Amino acid sequence: DAEITQSPRHKITETGRQVTLACHQTWNHNNMFWYRQDLGHGLRLIHYSYGVQDTNKGEVSDGYSVSRSNTEDLPLTLESAASSQTSVYFCASSEWGTSGNGEQFFGPGTRLTVL
Amino acid sequence: DQQVKQNSPSLSVQEGRISILNCDYTNSMFDYFLWYKKYPAEGPTFLISISSIKDKNEDGRFTVFLNKSAKHLSLHIVPSQPGDSAVYFCAADLHAGAGGTSYGKLTFGQGTILTVHP
Repeated sequence: DAEITQSPRHKITETGRQVTLACHQTWNHNNMFWYRQDLGHGLRLIHYSYGVQDTNKGEVSDGYSVSRSNTEDLPLTLESAASSQTSVYFCASSEWGTSGNGEQFFGPGTRLTVL
Repeated sequence: DQQVKQNSPSLSVQEGRISILNCDYTNSMFDYFLWYKKYPAEGPTFLISISSIKDKNEDGRFTVFLNKSAKHLSLHIVPSQPGDSAVYFCAADLHAGAGGTSYGKLTFGQGTILTVHP
């Protein structure tokens, strides 16, 4: 069965360190997204990609970067982790060019704590 | 500026009764609306959607109503079950014209925590 996985599931790091969160999908979807979930804010879009070599900033992209070298993976990098980046991070994917409801499939999430 | 809002952070309902979760939006260009359900320590999963050309969509115990003039949608769960206890997110999508392709970006609300008591 196709799926979307994230690793690690839990991560504790220190302020100033670089952190990379992995996202891998086997749906063969062109679209991939990174969100963070914080109480009172719902799911906020960090970065997204419509295909290989394509990346775009979302509403809360400061301090984060992504790169897309293949269809399956979209790693999220925190260049210099800050305590404000303590959150739960979700990766998602969807088909490109659908005239349907734009449904996104989500991974299980990564809980990141920055001390 | 929050384009999709869920103004009720939480809702508590007795098993067997109706649960009504509400969502408001400000961008009149949104043309598809989705509801996602999220259990603790899991990712959100798609529940039900509605196109802006409809005012109602039903799937088993779940019905979504859309009032375009009020920019308001609601999710009805009847009858509510303890297993429905979760966080519910509404989301909005944009398409390139009528029947066109999705831009792929969803705008989410803040979520509502639903608790169904046995």
